[in-house]
Amino acid sequence: AQSVAQPEDQVNVAEGNPLTVKCTYSVSGNPYLFWYVQYPNRGLQFLLKYITGDNLVKGSYGFEAEFNKSQTSFHLKKPSALVSDSALYFCAVRDPAGSSASKIIFGSGTRLSIRP
Amino acid sequence: DGGITQSPKYLFRKEGQNVTLSCEQNLNHDAMYWYRQDPGQGLRLIYYSQIVNDFQKGDIAEGYSVSREKKESFPLTVTSAQKNPTAFYLCASSPKAGHPNYGYTFGSGTRLTVV
Repeated sequence: AQSVAQPEDQVNVAEGNPLTVKCTYSVSGNPYLFWYVQYPNRGLQFLLKYITGDNLVKGSYGFEAEFNKSQTSFHLKKPSALVSDSALYFCAVRDPAGSSASKIIFGSGTRLSIRP
Repeated sequence: DGGITQSPKYLFRKEGQNVTLSCEQNLNHDAMYWYRQDPGQGLRLIYYSQIVNDFQKGDIAEGYSVSREKKESFPLTVTSAQKNPTAFYLCASSPKAGHPNYGYTFGSGTRLTVV
């Protein structure tokens, strides 16, 4: 069965510093991986996805993520954090070869807090 | 603009009452989903539908019901059998269930509170 783990409930970073939000996954086939962001009392917004090709994926708001097959990871990164990046971030995975290919599985979320 | 509309934004339910949350999309998406989010927690799948007139239970379907009579609409009813319904409910859609390279588009959510 497919699964995704976000090992950190909260990440705290000073504004201007680089940030990393960690994500690991488990699927039976080649994964399709996603990052979403959620602001208070709002739905989730799509940030970026990895389907195939270059392991470094660039997305919205200056975020990027690196697919690492050997470590089964898809960490979200940004070179210089902004206070406005403070939000709840979800990693998600879809296994196109699995029996549940119609569904995306979401991680438990990581709260990112950027201090001025 | 295309998107998903959830209504109402806030909903209050009395004990023993059924309430229905609306989800409408004009994206021509085939698949639609309902999630429940509790404070500080992730998303849990309630029901999903891959095509009109068909839907499947998710991980926490007990106490909920859905219908999919039209492609653009996927309402969720929270019944009196759901003992702890206070939560934030999110609706999502995806172009085709069989095209896994697409992600989901989410609505802005409905916050349900039992009074």
